[in-house]
Amino acid sequence: KNEVEQSPQNLTAQEGEFITINCSYSVGISALHWLQQHPGGGIVSLFMLSSGKKKHGRLIATINIQEKHSSLHITASHPRDSAVYICAVRGGGSNYKLTFGKGTLLTVNP
Amino acid sequence: NAGVTQTPKFRVLKTGQSMTLLCAQDMNHEYMYWYRQDPGMGLRLIHYSVGEGTTAKGEVPDGYNVSRLKKQNFLLGLESAAPSQTSVYFCASIQPTVGTEAFFGQGTRLTVV
Repeated sequence: KNEVEQSPQNLTAQEGEFITINCSYSVGISALHWLQQHPGGGIVSLFMLSSGKKKHGRLIATINIQEKHSSLHITASHPRDSAVYICAVRGGGSNYKLTFGKGTLLTVNP
Repeated sequence: NAGVTQTPKFRVLKTGQSMTLLCAQDMNHEYMYWYRQDPGMGLRLIHYSVGEGTTAKGEVPDGYNVSRLKKQNFLLGLESAAPSQTSVYFCASIQPTVGTEAFFGQGTRLTVV
């Protein structure tokens, strides 16, 4: 079993829909990252969370440390949001290794 | 601009050839990582470094070597490339302080024929 599980693996939405991507992890962590990767592109950090909730524009990320679960929400989705969204967890203590989920491929149709 | 720079961006190698990928960061980060990304596998850690002069094995280190002679540079070497090393390689760096972001290079697409 992977240490980081994302769901769904693939998600297709219509423009304007509210999107939720989930991430569950099984180890103790010091932080959780949400990353975005456009097809053939590099990896961009969207959020880093250690507790609570963060918001950047139409993107919202939440984390529940007790339940070992995080969600990434996209409000009023747009075709330019089409990308792979990756959850990664950073180990606790002095372990700064990142462990990645396999990613969620989001396609937003106009 | 601050960030992580990888060179080259693309490379085609013949089986048995060698090459070195360079990762350079200008943020004075202590920790640097090399990952490979394969379809359906996510990103997997090859090697990492927690400071100048130090390296450690990750999840999939076989067939690769690394060096961190200078704090800003982390080199990934393939001594004898194999088709199984066809992948996209990403470098990342982070400062080991609570609350800091991870930064990624743009990736190197390597094909071994």
